[in-house]
Parts: sequence; structure tokens; C-alpha cells
Amino acid sequence: QVQLVESGGGVVQPGGSLRLSCAASGFTLSSYGMHWVRQAPGKGLEWVALIQDDGRNKYYADSVKGRLTISRDNSKNTLYMEMNSLRAEDTAVYYCAKGSSTIHYRLFDYWGQGTLVTVSS
Amino acid sequence: DIVMTQSPDSLAVSLGERATINCKSSQSVLYSSNNKNYLAWYQQKPGQPPKLLIYWASTRESGVPDRFSGSGSGTDFTLTISSLQAEDVAVYYCQQYFDTPTFGQGTRLEIK
Repeated sequence: QVQLVESGGGVVQPGGSLRLSCAASGFTLSSYGMHWVRQAPGKGLEWVALIQDDGRNKYYADSVKGRLTISRDNSKNTLYMEMNSLRAEDTAVYYCAKGSSTIHYRLFDYWGQGTLVTVSS
Repeated sequence: DIVMTQSPDSLAVSLGERATINCKSSQSVLYSSNNKNYLAWYQQKPGQPPKLLIYWASTRESGVPDRFSGSGSGTDFTLTISSLQAEDVAVYYCQQYFDTPTFGQGTRLEIK
């Protein structure tokens, strides 16, 4: 069965950095686009970033462009998010989510349990 | 970006009654070449990640009870729960996957 397990969240000061990981199992990671979606405490869902199956094409929400970097290591079945210049408004649960197919990769069919990032001094 | 607007923001329905949630997109999410609406519905229970319920506006994901149904086309969509069960208490989100993904603000469904 498909499993996505995030890790790497924690408390970081404004301006700091963090690296999130998402370990994938139960499917061939290299065949699917993968996303990060976040949810601020008590708020709704916000798409953050997409990396396509081959890792060459990456897309970001305007709110994180230039500060967050999505990457993947298909040999390790792992998705990453490098987070720099963090701000208070980046505080959220970060979910990794799997695109449903090669073509319809913007539809999320599986989600991890999420990892909480808190940006606070 | 396509803006998704849900109504109402919250809803209280009696057990066994019908619940209806609406979702409107700022532009059409109907792709003319395949006549499919790129619209999905998710359910999020407290402390859990979202779960895909419906895609292509009206196709139920495997394992989703048939009391959940989706309808609509173009810019206006509806999620209907025909007979509310206690386990359906959750926040429901619509999402378009026609373009850069965007979500509605969510509708909180409670028992009256």
C-alpha cells in the first residue's frame, strides 16, 4: 500500500533554515509528480510546490518562490523540501502528496500525515 | 491563479439528512478536448491529512461510500452527502487541478 512519511519539522527562528523529507513506499516514486502542500494552524490548504517525475521541472507558489526548494532522490524513494529565509507566515503542517498519474499530476491521491514547522523567536 | 470559493463556510445537519456543499471557480475548469471537469473534493477529519473523495467532479475514489456524490460543470460544483453519518463530521475542500492547484477555503460540517 502507498505510504508517505514526512520528517524534519521543528521550531526554527525567523530567517532560519530547515530540510523536510518525505519517504515514499508502495509505489515507484520515479513515475509520479510529487507535491508539498501546507496548512497553517486552523487554516485551509495551500499548495506549495511540485516536482515532476523526472525531477527536471519544478513549480512553486509565489509565496515561497526563491526561499523553498523542492527536490527528489528517486533512488532513495525520498522527496525533499529545503526551506530557507523562513518567516512566521511559513508556520504550518507540511504534507507531501502524490500526483495521481503521469498526466493528471495536479490531483492528489495520497497524502502523508504531515510534519509541523514552527517559525518563532 | 484560479480562485475557488466554497459555500457555506460551515454547516450543521441532522443525522440521516442531506448535506450540500457548493464550490465555485473563478474560471471554467472544464477541458474541452476531453470534456472533463478538473475538480476534486477532499475530506479532512481532525488531526488527519486530507483524503481524496471525488475527482473529475463526479467520480468517487475507490472505497468512498456511495452516499457521497459530486455534480456540476464549468464553474459551479456541488458535493452532496445523501444521508449524513456521524463519521462524516469533517472539513471538506474542493480543489481544481486544471492549472496550478488551488483549494477552496473549506466547509466545516457538523451534526445538528
